[in-house]
Amino acid sequence: GQNIDQPTEMTATEGAIVQINCTYQTSGFNGLFWYQQHAGEAPTFLSYNVLDGLEEKGRFSSFLSRSKGYSYLLLKELQMKDSASYLCAVSDSNYQLIWGAGTKLIIKP
Amino acid sequence: GAVVSQHPSRVICKSGTSVKIECRSLDFQATTMFWYRQFPKQSLMLMATSNEGSKATYEQGVEKDKFLINHASLTLSTLTVTSAHPEDSSFYICSARPGEGTYEQYFGPGTRLTVT
Repeated sequence: GQNIDQPTEMTATEGAIVQINCTYQTSGFNGLFWYQQHAGEAPTFLSYNVLDGLEEKGRFSSFLSRSKGYSYLLLKELQMKDSASYLCAVSDSNYQLIWGAGTKLIIKP
Repeated sequence: GAVVSQHPSRVICKSGTSVKIECRSLDFQATTMFWYRQFPKQSLMLMATSNEGSKATYEQGVEKDKFLINHASLTLSTLTVTSAHPEDSSFYICSARPGEGTYEQYFGPGTRLTVT
């Protein structure tokens, strides 16, 4: 079956760095997405990885290892507004997104 | 670019009535649109995939006669919750994909449905 695993909840301090991991097992692979979702709102796109390596975009970076079925989202210089759920999703062989349950990130001052 | 709208953003209805939710791609043509449901503190659950001009493909466990999906044009898909019950109260989100073989999905802002 298809499976996406990520931690349920993480806590970090304002100004610090946090890494949110995601492991996956899917039928086919056409890329991995990270989305941010604030409570009561729709997800917003953060990053897309289809090749191995690190993609950096401002304070956010995303890493992919296809051989290990593993990705992480790295958030630097954390701000209070980064408190949200972070969703990992994999595009399978039919370009359908398989979603993880999301990681709730709590930022403390 | 790539804006998706949903209407209404919030709706409260009585048990037994039907509710229609519209999803529009404003600045691109969407060959495929997706409908998701999200219960509090849970992840997105794909309900169905709709392709313009053809019948929607429903995920296992989703009643197609209860959740009617119409993708009448390349910019509009509708989800009708028929004979709504309190357990149908949820956050319904649509997304749209511009073309075949593309990876990006653009999400609408969601519709909060409350059935009393």
